[in-house]
Amino acid sequence: DTGVSQDPRHKITKRGQNVTFRCDPISEHNRLYWYRQTLGQGPEFLTYFQNEAQLEKSRLLSDRFSAERPKGSFSTLEIQRTEQGDSAMYLCASSLAGAKADTQYFGPGTRLTVL
Amino acid sequence: AQSVTQLGSHVSVSEGALVLLRCNYSSSVPPYLFWYVQYPNQGLQLLLKYTSAATLVKGINGFEAEFKKSETSFHLTKPSAHMSDAAEYFCAVLNNNDMRFGAGTRLTVKP
Repeated sequence: DTGVSQDPRHKITKRGQNVTFRCDPISEHNRLYWYRQTLGQGPEFLTYFQNEAQLEKSRLLSDRFSAERPKGSFSTLEIQRTEQGDSAMYLCASSLAGAKADTQYFGPGTRLTVL
Repeated sequence: AQSVTQLGSHVSVSEGALVLLRCNYSSSVPPYLFWYVQYPNQGLQLLLKYTSAATLVKGINGFEAEFKKSETSFHLTKPSAHMSDAAEYFCAVLNNNDMRFGAGTRLTVKP
């Protein structure tokens, strides 16, 4: 049983460029979450999917951000026209809906640096 | 809305000493509570969770936490710190699929 994986692990981009991150959840998990973590802070919720449906989005998720999970398996998070304030660690987690406490298991994260 | 407060952004202990990381929560309904550990440039690893069964929860790496409803606390402890315990620790509260994290406590272990 492999854990949650994310790709790439690191991304350096110039302001104004678009970036896309990928998350592969634990295979039997039907829920997938995206978080953003800035230095010295805990993760902040961005959005989550149950299967392919995006059920909730945080106010943090501006219109430059879009997430998809087209087949209910892997997910992508795209940031358009990146800004320096987007520099952060982007974490993906997955869980099994219906399991007690719906424990979320995290991937290693993608660290984004916007120059 | 639910929230978590971790008292002390930095805690330093000597190797072999007791580790105590504090977490207080706010929730309108009985919560599920979690402790995660994060090593540099890595994701979060689950240490333990409280799911309304036993109030004393044992986790991995010798950590445990006690749920105290009267104090709205879920402090993390370990009797004897190891150098490998140096990391960032996050307390989190889950309610209706809404997970909120504390700001974290960085644990330093001195030789």
